[in-house]
Amino acid sequence: NAGVTQTPKFRVLKTGQSMTLLCAQDMNHEYMYWYRQDPGMGLRLIHYSVGEGTTAKGEVPDGYNVSRLKKQNFLLGLESAAPSQTSVYFCASSMTVNTEAFFGQGTRLTVV
Amino acid sequence: EDQVTQSPEALRLQEGESSSLNCSYTVSGLRGLFWYRQDPGKGPEFLFTLYSAGEEKEKERLKATLTKKESFLHITAPKPEDSATYLCAVQARETSGSRLTFGEGTQLTVNP
Repeated sequence: NAGVTQTPKFRVLKTGQSMTLLCAQDMNHEYMYWYRQDPGMGLRLIHYSVGEGTTAKGEVPDGYNVSRLKKQNFLLGLESAAPSQTSVYFCASSMTVNTEAFFGQGTRLTVV
Repeated sequence: EDQVTQSPEALRLQEGESSSLNCSYTVSGLRGLFWYRQDPGKGPEFLFTLYSAGEEKEKERLKATLTKKESFLHITAPKPEDSATYLCAVQARETSGSRLTFGEGTQLTVNP
């Protein structure tokens, strides 16, 4: 019973490098989200998806792109990493718009 | 703009010493208020959802209550394993995609 799985768990990038964070859920949830968590800022929504093939911008989308080609997967891409993107990234999913979100374990990303 | 303010930022209790955490919110029509628990290095774990003023929910030593402007998480006779950061989040009725606005959390430490 994996729930929401994020890959990788840790990563160090150099400024300007690109990478993709993978989120996979096995609960057949329609909604998926990417958040970032920073000290003093709380969790902030980057992008979200209300179903396979759909994506939408959240509160802090700049510098990130996402794709939801399969219902169970939600990818977060950084095309040109910046130090300001150093953060802990969490993926989450929920069954409906009204139900609780289940979170992954997080990806700690450092951009140097 | 939806806002969530949690207080106190940090709380230290002795085992068995009951207390309450506060979550004040402003939202243009509340769809739901969520409480999560987050342990160090892990993703948030769902605790409760409250939908309307006057509603209460309980789970073991935790009880969540809701008014039109705030929510309280009451902790009765806490144990050291209750130590964690407790997050509050609101979802506005007209928000698409089930987006949540999080507070910064209350870091609870329960000493044996």
